[in-house]
Amino acid sequence: NAGVTQTPKFRVLKTGQSMTLLCAQDMNHEYMYWYRQDPGMGLRLIHYSVGEGTTAKGEVPDGYNVSRLKKQNFLLGLESAAPSQTSVYFCASSYRGHTEAFFGQGTRLTVV
Amino acid sequence: AQSVTQLGSHVSVSEGALVLLRCNYSSSVPPYLFWYVQYPNQGLQLLLKYTSAATLVKGINGFEAEFKKSETSFHLTKPSAHMSDAAEYFCAVWEGGSEKLVFGKGMKLTVNP
Repeated sequence: NAGVTQTPKFRVLKTGQSMTLLCAQDMNHEYMYWYRQDPGMGLRLIHYSVGEGTTAKGEVPDGYNVSRLKKQNFLLGLESAAPSQTSVYFCASSYRGHTEAFFGQGTRLTVV
Repeated sequence: AQSVTQLGSHVSVSEGALVLLRCNYSSSVPPYLFWYVQYPNQGLQLLLKYTSAATLVKGINGFEAEFKKSETSFHLTKPSAHMSDAAEYFCAVWEGGSEKLVFGKGMKLTVNP
């Protein structure tokens, strides 16, 4: 039982490069979330999805795009990376919004 | 929009002392409230959650939290701290209208021997 798996775990990007972070869950959860964690800022919601084919903006969506083509996967894209996007990114999923959220191990992204 | 406030960023207690981590929420409707814990270099895991069934909620590892509507609070407590409790603790709120799970800024707990 893998739970929530994030790929990759570490990445260094140059300013202007693009990349996609993959989140996969095997629990048949409807809800999926992408957060970024920065010192002193806690977890800030980037985008979320309440079901396959749906996405919505969170608190800090600028510079990011997402897709949920399959129920088990939630992709986070950075089209043109900026140093301000240096952060630890966490994906989470839950069966419903008010049920327990399960988190991945995080992706540490550095943009130079 | 719903939000949670965790005042301060760091708390330090002695082993065996009471742990009290404060959380205040803002919500236009009855919320679902959560406490999560994050150990170093790991993701978050659920400690406990409030879903309106009972105002005093017991969680894992001896933690509990009390929902007080009049104070819009959901403070986390543990009677006796253990070294293994050193971690960062996050309060979170989910509101049905917005469908968002929103976290506070977190509180880093240090336990001194």
